[in-house]
Amino acid sequence: EVQLVESGGGLVQPGGSLRLSCAASGFTVSSNYMSWVRQAPGKGLEWVSVIYSGGSTYYADSVKGRFTISRHNSKNTLYLQMNSLRAEDTAVYYCARVIAVAGTANYFDYWGQGTLVTVSS
Amino acid sequence: QSALTQPPSASGSPGQSVTISCTGTSSDVGGYNYVSWYQQHPGKAPKLMIYEVSKRPSGVPDRFSGSKSGNTASLTVSGLQAEDEADYYCSSYAGSNNFVFGTGTKVTVL
Repeated sequence: EVQLVESGGGLVQPGGSLRLSCAASGFTVSSNYMSWVRQAPGKGLEWVSVIYSGGSTYYADSVKGRFTISRHNSKNTLYLQMNSLRAEDTAVYYCARVIAVAGTANYFDYWGQGTLVTVSS
Repeated sequence: QSALTQPPSASGSPGQSVTISCTGTSSDVGGYNYVSWYQQHPGKAPKLMIYEVSKRPSGVPDRFSGSKSGNTASLTVSGLQAEDEADYYCSSYAGSNNFVFGTGTKVTVL
């Protein structure tokens, strides 16, 4: 059974850093495309970042240069390192497995339960 | 990348049908058959309902169907049931290794 469990959220001051983790089971993270999607309180979904099976990484303009997606193959875990955090980064962060077709990322088939990040002084 | 446009709300009585639109551009919805739809109940994670415009994952009732015409995709829920009351989001691949989500639609079962 595929499972994704996020952790690492919490309260952080503006300008601070936080690292989110997403532990996967039932499949191999490094063989799949994986993504982070966030949802600000009462708002819609926003794509944040993706890492391809080959290791290439891509980011939404809103987080480019501040966030870094990575994975630890032996731990079968996905990460999101978030630096220079702003109030507008406050959201529930979901990790999701991405299904690709002919090498093109297509849709998100499994999602974790999310972890809340609050950026406030 | 701007969010895809969805109506804020839609409603229908039990047994009726409701259709939600998702309007983008030729750079996302219109440019790829990679439109997907997600259902989200309050406090829960999104759940995949439709992928590649009109395909249903295993376990999703056939009351849910998807289509696309030009830059607009649509999700139809037929035979509305109480458990269909939720928020629905469309998503599309947007080229250059980017994704975009819709603004979301709250479906109410009257």
